[in-house]
Amino acid sequence: SYELTQPPSVSVSPGQTARITCSGDALPKQYAYWYQQKPGQAPVVVIYKDSERPSGIPERFSGSSSGTIVTLTISGVQAEDEADYYCQSADSSGTYPVFGGGTKLTVL
Amino acid sequence: EVQLVESGGGLVQPGGSLRLSCAASGFTFSDHYMDWVRQAPGKGLEWVGRTRNKANSYTTEYAASVKGRFTISRDDSKNSLFLQMNSLKTEDTAVYYCARSFSTTQIAFDIWGQGTMVTVSS
Repeated sequence: SYELTQPPSVSVSPGQTARITCSGDALPKQYAYWYQQKPGQAPVVVIYKDSERPSGIPERFSGSSSGTIVTLTISGVQAEDEADYYCQSADSSGTYPVFGGGTKLTVL
Repeated sequence: EVQLVESGGGLVQPGGSLRLSCAASGFTFSDHYMDWVRQAPGKGLEWVGRTRNKANSYTTEYAASVKGRFTISRDDSKNSLFLQMNSLKTEDTAVYYCARSFSTTQIAFDIWGQGTMVTVSS
């Protein structure tokens, strides 16, 4: 079955830039989405269609794509950004959604 | 306000059944594909299944892990989504979220409910 691979954890100091990667063979053909999930809460989409930012999401969140790797970048990280981040895309047929394993972002 | 509210979770024995509901408000429910996504305790997100809209014949898709045991349905007249879970296993223990698809062409989720906990244990 199709898989998306994320690093389990990323740590940054406040004000620095955090980059979370997600790799998958079908990413050149399928859009990627990023969700933020804080403890005890439902996921919230922070990036859609590789690099679009929903209304209400701070400008410090951005997304990019290069071949089989997509990247979520958080510039000027704040303490409130500490959360689990999940990438999500679809399999090569575009039928089945797939989630990455999640990355825990720690703000030191 | 766009909102999804799940209900129906609880404790059930292995082999048992449970029916989850999701009440939608604040948008035209009948236009959207709707999905269920689950999260086992301390684990990541796992897609469970989808129901498409009337224009796409209410067709459904399921993850391999639940196919043949779970059934998704919807009642557009009541803005409601359902997940019938049969032959439950301990590994089905999770928070179950209903989620709205961005669109009929984007396989992703823009609105999520708060989740309902299902515990399968003897």
